[in-house]
Amino acid sequence: AQKVTQAQTEISVVEKEDVTLDCVYETRDTTYYLFWYKQPPSGELVFLIRRNSFDEQNEISGRYSWNFQKSTSSFNFTITASQVVDSAVYFCALSLFSGAGSYQLTFGKGTKLSVIP
Amino acid sequence: NAGVMQNPRHLVRRRGQEARLRCSPMKGHSHVYWYRQLPEEGLKFMVYLQKENIIDESGMPKERFSAEFPKEGPSILRIQQVVRGDSAAYFCASSPGTGIGNGYTFGSGTRLTVV
Repeated sequence: AQKVTQAQTEISVVEKEDVTLDCVYETRDTTYYLFWYKQPPSGELVFLIRRNSFDEQNEISGRYSWNFQKSTSSFNFTITASQVVDSAVYFCALSLFSGAGSYQLTFGKGTKLSVIP
Repeated sequence: NAGVMQNPRHLVRRRGQEARLRCSPMKGHSHVYWYRQLPEEGLKFMVYLQKENIIDESGMPKERFSAEFPKEGPSILRIQQVVRGDSAAYFCASSPGTGIGNGYTFGSGTRLTVV
């Protein structure tokens, strides 16, 4: 069975601080994908990144960066110089073949980030 | 190139009524996933459909819930005789193919409130 744990339920930071959101996953499969999604107060789900299990290279996109460590089953997300617009709930998700014919996503419970001006 | 369209955005139903949630996938996408987000919980997989076929419904409640994706028209998630516990946000996602490498695109969701 697969599982995604986001231990931080809520985080508050002051604007311009850096913040790291933790994600730990469990799976016995060797082939899988990891995702991060952002859910702003308006409620939609915004795709941030997809990473496959064979690619451990870290990635940077503007103020966002992701650290994938297979050895610790972690896929952490860092926002540098946070801004008020970063305030949202962030979800980490794991995808692998379900056996019933689908690549369903298993989501963590999310981390609510509040950036205070 | 429109994204995944879900409607209505908000839906209010009285207990015992039926709720119909619609999802139009992105152009060229023939695979649809439905997820439910209950208050204070993460998103949970419900069902995966391809045109005219239900492939994986392992996450669907056994009673009152059904889904379809006809040859023409949107995918429909139907909830019969709604109860307060059905109040949630329902998201659909579409994909062009079976592999996850093809990517997922989510709609903006339908927020169902049962009063």
